[in-house]
Amino acid sequence: QKEVEQNSGPLSVPEGAIASLNCTYSDRVSQSFFWYRQYSGKSPELIMSIYSNGDKEDGRFTAQLNKASQYVSLLIRDSQPSDSATYLCAVSGGYNKLIFGAGTRLAVHP
Amino acid sequence: NAGVTQTPKFQVLKTGQSMTLQCAQDMNHNSMYWYRQDPGMGLRLIYYSASEGTTDKGEVPNGYNVSRLNKREFSLRLESAAPSQTSVYFCASSEVWFSRANYGYTFGSGTRLTVV
Repeated sequence: QKEVEQNSGPLSVPEGAIASLNCTYSDRVSQSFFWYRQYSGKSPELIMSIYSNGDKEDGRFTAQLNKASQYVSLLIRDSQPSDSATYLCAVSGGYNKLIFGAGTRLAVHP
Repeated sequence: NAGVTQTPKFQVLKTGQSMTLQCAQDMNHNSMYWYRQDPGMGLRLIYYSASEGTTDKGEVPNGYNVSRLNKREFSLRLESAAPSQTSVYFCASSEVWFSRANYGYTFGSGTRLTVV
């Protein structure tokens, strides 16, 4: 059974700090990795994708991938209360399928 | 710019009743998916359709059937609802694979289903 593991949280950070969200996966052949943000009662929204080892930056978000360690992370710089949400890690699990972690709840307090 | 449209948004069923959840996308995506989301368990794949005319089981297909009516529409049917099917259901669509890359999903707004 292919798995994607995330700490459920909540991860509590003060406004302006860096939030670090982590994810591990079990399938060594996975090629595509995604981070989704989900506000309470809403649908997941794609915020980052990464396919190669290393860092990928987009505004305040940085995704990091280490395929050797089967580890992907998301850094949110200058965290804002509006970043408070559940962050879902997703990993490719076969032909055009994604396997999702259970999500990490992030709470950014003023 | 509708994206992925799901209906209904809310539904209450009695045990044993049947219903169909509808999903349509206007992005010309080839692949469509049905997931359920339960507290603490994340999104679990029920069925997917890699392209028009094909459907395949996902992780939790028991108690469900699907129909890929055309390229735009992918429906999910509960033949005899059970309380264990109480969940939030999401439809999603995506482009096909290119060079082992996957461009991620676009999700519908979800259907909150309660079976009593």
